[in-house]
Amino acid sequence: ILNVEQSPQSLHVQEGDSTNFTCSFPSSNFYALHWYRWETAKSPEALFVMTLNGDEKKKGRISATLNTKEGYSYLYIKGSQPEDSATYLCAFKPAGGGNKLTFGTGTQLKVEL
Amino acid sequence: EAQVTQNPRYLITVTGKKLTVTCSQNMNHEYMSWYRQDPGLGLRQIYYSMNVEVTDKGDVPEGYKVSRKEKRNFPLILESPSPNQTSLYFCASSVPGREKLFFGSGTQLSVL
Repeated sequence: ILNVEQSPQSLHVQEGDSTNFTCSFPSSNFYALHWYRWETAKSPEALFVMTLNGDEKKKGRISATLNTKEGYSYLYIKGSQPEDSATYLCAFKPAGGGNKLTFGTGTQLKVEL
Repeated sequence: EAQVTQNPRYLITVTGKKLTVTCSQNMNHEYMSWYRQDPGLGLRQIYYSMNVEVTDKGDVPEGYKVSRKEKRNFPLILESPSPNQTSLYFCASSVPGREKLFFGSGTQLSVL
């Protein structure tokens, strides 16, 4: 089983703060890195799928970067809002992995007023 | 509306009583997969299917069966459920490759 780690495990920020968290994955045999947003009582929803070293993706106030050579991805949220409160999951797909995705345990973000 | 439909949403059962959780997608996706989510652990893959009649084990397949007789459906079968299968289950689908997963609404299963 591949090792995909996310940090921190949880994070409390104030409304308006910018924040970031990390996903670490094996640096060899990279194929794709996914980010998902999972709100309580809902289904995970895809934010980004990143495939190239140096990729940067952006969706509104949320952006992500990818470093496949060193095996990490950062997710940034600018000007956090209460509706950003959710668990953020990353998932790693290796080359030749038969379409298997290995998920990290997530970073639980709570944005307080 | 493009979606993955999973039923039931909640299920309480007893040890040994066979059950099936259904999953259906209307996006013509080749790839479908089942995951379980347990506290402190990431989503763990149970089984996946690359296309009709093509299924393969994920990381935690013990105690589960699946079938893929039609492209749209991918049921998860627990022949003899045990309490350690109490979990939150998600079905997901996608186009194979680098495409994002679409998740169903989840099934909270309790095995007493």
